[in-house]
Order: sequence, then structure tokens, then C-alpha cells
Amino acid sequence: EAGVVQSPRYKIIEKKQPVAFWCNPISGHNTLYWYRQNLGQGPELLIRYENEEAVDDSQLPKDRFSAERLKGVDSTLKIQPAELGDSAVYLCASSSGLTLSGEKLFFGSGTQLSVL
Amino acid sequence: AQRVTQPEKLLSVFKGAPVELKCNYSYSGSPELFWYVQYSRQRLQLLLRHISRESIKGFTADLNKGETSFHLKKPFAQEEDSAMYYCALKGTSYDKVIFGPGTSLSVIP
Repeated sequence: EAGVVQSPRYKIIEKKQPVAFWCNPISGHNTLYWYRQNLGQGPELLIRYENEEAVDDSQLPKDRFSAERLKGVDSTLKIQPAELGDSAVYLCASSSGLTLSGEKLFFGSGTQLSVL
Repeated sequence: AQRVTQPEKLLSVFKGAPVELKCNYSYSGSPELFWYVQYSRQRLQLLLRHISRESIKGFTADLNKGETSFHLKKPFAQEEDSAMYYCALKGTSYDKVIFGPGTSLSVIP
């Protein structure tokens, strides 16, 4: 099992350019999260999906960020246009939802974005 | 509003010494609490969750609702425990998981 797969691992772009991140969750996991992690801080939620439905996108800056999860499997997060302050690690996580032991998130390796 | 705080950004202990990483939360109900860990060059992973009452790699954490705390403890620290530790909270079954700012633990040989 490859776990949660994210690509690319690194991305360097100039400000005002668009950028996209891709995530393939663990097979069978209905819940998918996108987090942003700034240097020295904890992950901050951007959006959460249950299957193909975005159930929590209250912290997604909708003027420049967009996300989709077609067919309830892979997901793409896009930024257009990117700003200097968007430099961060973008993490994708998936889970099978609530179990008797609570929800367990499985994280990808993240995409490190540098905006110059 | 839901919030997780970890007062220590950095914590250094000697090998074999006890370690306690502090976590406090704000939530009006009965949340699920977790500890996630990120070792050097590895992805973020679940260490333990309060609902399971488990002990993983010698670590335990007790939920104290009166003090709204979920501190992580280990009686004898090992060098391989050096990592970033994040406390996380999930309010209800339908809520998102939110994370604290993290504590970097360094175990000195």
C-alpha cells in the first residue's frame, strides 16, 4: 500500500502564477482533507471532503484557492494567482471516517511550495 | 470556537528522563483528542488517541476534562523520540480535525 500520494513534492513558482497540487488518497477512504502548514506551525485546515462533497471549506480563501474531488477519489487543490504568502507545505490526508477508535488521519508527504 | 494550544515550542530532555508535552484545548463538549508525531524526513502520523486508551512506544495521554488538557507523557525518554509532536482535536463525529502549533522534542544522549 503506497498510502496517500501527493505530487509534486516541490514546486517553485513566481508570484501571480497558477499552481496545482494533486492527491490520491488511500483506497476506500471517503474523507479527504487539505491542510496548509507554514514553517514552525501546525497544519491548518483548508477544506474537507466527504466523498465528492466539500463539507467544510470555511477556511479556504476562495478568491484565489479552489479544490475539487471528482468521483470522490483523487483531489486537486489550485491557487491562482499565487502570492508570496502562499509559500508553505500543502498536506493531503485521508481517513475512513469515524470508527470505534476514533478517526485516524493518514497523511501524504506534502507539497512544498515556494513563491518567489 | 475550537482551539488547541501547545505552550512549549521546544522541549529538551536527557535520555532516560521523564517527558511531558503539554496540550490544552478549547471546546464546550466532549471532543476526541489525538497526538500526531512527525519524525525527521517522515510524514505526519498518528501516535495515539484518547478514545483508545492506548500506550504507543511507551507514551500515554490522559484526557482531563476539568483542566481541558491532554498532556503526553513518557517515563523514560529515548533518543528516537526526538520529533515534532502535534496535539489535535475533533469536536463531534461530523467535525474536522484541527491541530495545535506543535512541540519539538529533542532527547539529548
